[in-house]
Amino acid sequence: GAVVSQHPSRVICKSGTSVKIECRSLDFQATTMFWYRQFPKQSLMLMATSNEGSKATYEQGVEKDKFLINHASLTLSTLTVTSAHPEDSSFYICSASGGAAGYEQFFGPGTRLTVL
Amino acid sequence: GENVEQHPSTLSVQEGDSAVIKCTYSDSASNYFPWYKQELGKGPQLIIDIRSNVGEKKDQRIAVTLNKTAKHFSLHITETQPEDSAVYFCAASTTSGSRLTFGEGTQLTVNP
Repeated sequence: GAVVSQHPSRVICKSGTSVKIECRSLDFQATTMFWYRQFPKQSLMLMATSNEGSKATYEQGVEKDKFLINHASLTLSTLTVTSAHPEDSSFYICSASGGAAGYEQFFGPGTRLTVL
Repeated sequence: GENVEQHPSTLSVQEGDSAVIKCTYSDSASNYFPWYKQELGKGPQLIIDIRSNVGEKKDQRIAVTLNKTAKHFSLHITETQPEDSAVYFCAASTTSGSRLTFGEGTQLTVNP
């Protein structure tokens, strides 16, 4: 299947700082990328959907000013957690679909964010 | 919106036995049903999917069945192996490539 990478895989930051997570589709052009967060022993919760060149669509209850999403190219989307707090600590996962990948969503390996 | 329920939440089987995980969905417009395997600390991996125009799909030891009338679909794993141990998620979407609604997950443990 198609390959999606995330960077970094793990990040620890102080409360009040901002953290950027990158999601890349390595072997296909992703017209749509999705961002999820996952708490321990829970399912994936969709945060937002982004299409290349347009503004992201956020799910109800997700603060768009706190979780900034940029989908500047067909292979790269970024999620910036602004002014992070301990409650933002979670596993953040992106997925990508479109192009040669077709309709399937292929997931990245995830980013473990810990806010102290 | 769509609601997906998944059962059981935990499943323990002996190596070589079969495992079955079931999901129900609420939106009759859903037409794409993928299954993902997630190992600890990793992202979900697509293992099999089915679209609403077929009732069954098989890939080696893994099969998925779909009953559109009853709005449920199931994952079947035969001849289970310890490396099958993971959390499995079902999902549904109304159009290919659009947002997925996930079930709550099933922790499968295959005992050697």
